[in-house]
Amino acid sequence: DIQMTQSPASLSASLGETVTIECRASEDIYNGLAWYQQKPGKSPQLLIYNANSLHTGVPSRFSGSGSGTQYSLKINSLQSEDVASYFCQQYYNYPTFGSGTKLEIK
Amino acid sequence: EVKLVESGGGLVQPGRSLKLSCAASGFSFNDYWMGWVRQAPGKGLEWIGEINQDSSTINYTPSLKDKFTISRDNAQNTLYLQMSKLGSEDTAIYYCARARKTQIPFDYWGQGVMVTVSS
Repeated sequence: DIQMTQSPASLSASLGETVTIECRASEDIYNGLAWYQQKPGKSPQLLIYNANSLHTGVPSRFSGSGSGTQYSLKINSLQSEDVASYFCQQYYNYPTFGSGTKLEIK
Repeated sequence: EVKLVESGGGLVQPGRSLKLSCAASGFSFNDYWMGWVRQAPGKGLEWIGEINQDSSTINYTPSLKDKFTISRDNAQNTLYLQMSKLGSEDTAIYYCARARKTQIPFDYWGQGVMVTVSS
């Protein structure tokens, strides 16, 4: 299995700030990387696929980058509705997920 | 509107079996790969497997392939997950989801159904 190490586990930031979440794969996943947002009590929603492509309808303040084994999700101008958990997922091989990052407003 | 509605969850005793269903509407079910993901309470996500449009290809995460069986009925626009020999480690919310093809992320998920394995 490809292991996904996600950091930080939790994050507190102020409205309007920029935050970054990281994911490291245990081997090269050739940009087969997605990011999901999961609000409390809801199902995950796709934000980013292929490491840096924005899914339909996702605000442009979300962006993804990275290559090889290192990937990141950046949220610009943090808004109250961004309070959620965020998960990375590799789908280069049998899909596996990171452990998640819980984002709160300071 | 795309809708995926899971059903069939509940409390089940250890060692028993359970079959979940996922009713799809609002899109052409025949055109999509479908799959299952689960999430233990307060934990992360675990990909269970996926099935292609005509059921000719079914992929499972290796650690679960002997316990779970994925199937679909295109005439009924329904996806299934047959679970056997359930243990406490299978207690989770089970989500069904869709994708245009294999090796891409699921782009739409249902709201999930809770399965609790306990005596």
